Amino acid sequence: EDKVVQSPLSLVVHEGDTVTLNCSYEVTNFRSLLWYKQEKKAPTFLFMLTSSGIEKKSGRLSSILDKKELFSILNITATQTGDSAVYLCAVVLYNQGGKLIFGQGTELSVKP
Amino acid sequence: GAGVSQTPSNKVTEKGKYVELRCDPISGHTALYWYRQSLGQGPEFLIYFQGTGAADDSGLPNDRFFAVRPEGSVSTLKIQRTERGDSAVYLCASSLNRDRGTGELFFGEGSRLTVL
Repeated sequence: EDKVVQSPLSLVVHEGDTVTLNCSYEVTNFRSLLWYKQEKKAPTFLFMLTSSGIEKKSGRLSSILDKKELFSILNITATQTGDSAVYLCAVVLYNQGGKLIFGQGTELSVKP
Repeated sequence: GAGVSQTPSNKVTEKGKYVELRCDPISGHTALYWYRQSLGQGPEFLIYFQGTGAADDSGLPNDRFFAVRPEGSVSTLKIQRTERGDSAVYLCASSLNRDRGTGELFFGEGSRLTVL
């Protein structure tokens, strides 16, 4: 059975800290891995990763994929209270159209 | 529209009733998806439309769930004989033609369904 596992499930840090969120997967026909941020309701897209070892970066957020060890990490540096959210990892498979397989999410809380 | 629109945002119903949840995707997006998210969990795939047809409905939990997209734009998720276990946030998402592999789905705010 295809599955995506995220860790930790929840995390509390203080502003200015750096955090690393983990996503591991066991799937057949891997195509790409996506990261989303979910603050209240609608998940918003952060990154799509398809190739190993190539870091994607957007401001204080960055992410990388390791297709050999089957995991991805999402780094957030100099965290701010506005980074508080649930971070979702999802895997896209070949030959399965629009079906994303999500992990259970990591709930990040950034305290002032 | 500018984003994916879902109505109602909240729906409270009684066990055994019928409900309909509506999704209006981003204009021009041919692919539309329904996901269900229970508290503390990631979204769970239900069904995917490419145009008017359901390309993959393998995530629908049972025959009480049905979805349509008759004109290739707005979609309705229909749940018959609701059960308390159906309580969740139902998320709709759309994207450009999936075959182009952009990978990015645009999600709506969701419809929170509570079955009493």
